[in-house]
Amino acid sequence: AQSVTQLDSHVSVSEGTPVLLRCNYSSSYSPSLFWYVQHPNKGLQLLLKYTSAATLVKGINGFEAEFKKSETSFHLTKPSAHMSDAAEYFCVVRLNTGGFKTIFGAGTRLFVKA
Amino acid sequence: DAGVIQSPRHEVTEMGQEVTLRCKPISGHNSLFWYRQTMMRGLELLIYFNNNVPIDDSGMPEDRFSAKMPNASFSTLKIQPSEPRDSAVYFCASSLYRGAGIGRTGELFFGEGSRLTVL
Repeated sequence: AQSVTQLDSHVSVSEGTPVLLRCNYSSSYSPSLFWYVQHPNKGLQLLLKYTSAATLVKGINGFEAEFKKSETSFHLTKPSAHMSDAAEYFCVVRLNTGGFKTIFGAGTRLFVKA
Repeated sequence: DAGVIQSPRHEVTEMGQEVTLRCKPISGHNSLFWYRQTMMRGLELLIYFNNNVPIDDSGMPEDRFSAKMPNASFSTLKIQPSEPRDSAVYFCASSLYRGAGIGRTGELFFGEGSRLTVL
C-alpha cells in the first residue's frame, strides 16, 4: 500500500530562522515525490519534485528537499523563513508503475512570526 | 502560458439546485483530476480522466455527483441536487502522463478552485 505521512500538522518559526517540514512515504515502487504550497484562497503550486535524478532537489523560493530512500523520507527545508512563506504545504507521492495514483499528505500549516 | 482555468470561482446556491463546475486543462495535457477540499476532510480526489476517459471515480461521494470530459480541453463536475455538505472548494488539475517509468509521471497543475457554498 502507498501512503504519505506529514509528521506535523502545524509548524511555527520566526522570520529568518530555518524551516523543516517533515514527510515520510510508503511505496512498493519507486515513486515520484513532490511538494506543493497553497496560500490562502489559492490553488496548489508546485514547489519542487523528485523523479530519481539528484536526491537533493532545489525548488522555488529557496526551498529544497532531500530524498532519503533508506529513511523513506522527503523533508522540505529552507535556510531562512520569510513572512511570505506562511502557507499550507503538501507532500505528494505519485507512482511510476503506470496508472495515475497520486497521494496527498494531510498538509502542514507553516506559521512565520515576525 | 495559460494555466488550468476553472469557473465559476465562487458559487452560492440553495439546497436542491443543480451546480455545474467547469474546467479547462492546460493544452497538451492528457490527464485531468477533480479534487474537493474541506477543512474537515482535507484534499480528496473525486475522479480522474486519462485521454478523456474516466479511469477511477471511486472518490465520487454519491450518485448526485457526475463528471464528464467530452474533449481534451473541457471537463465538468455536476452536483444534482446539491446539499449543504457539498460546500467546499473544488479543484481541477491537469497533468501530462507519458506512461510508466521513473521520471515519466508529470506533476499536477492546479486551477485556482471553485468555492461552492450550498445554503
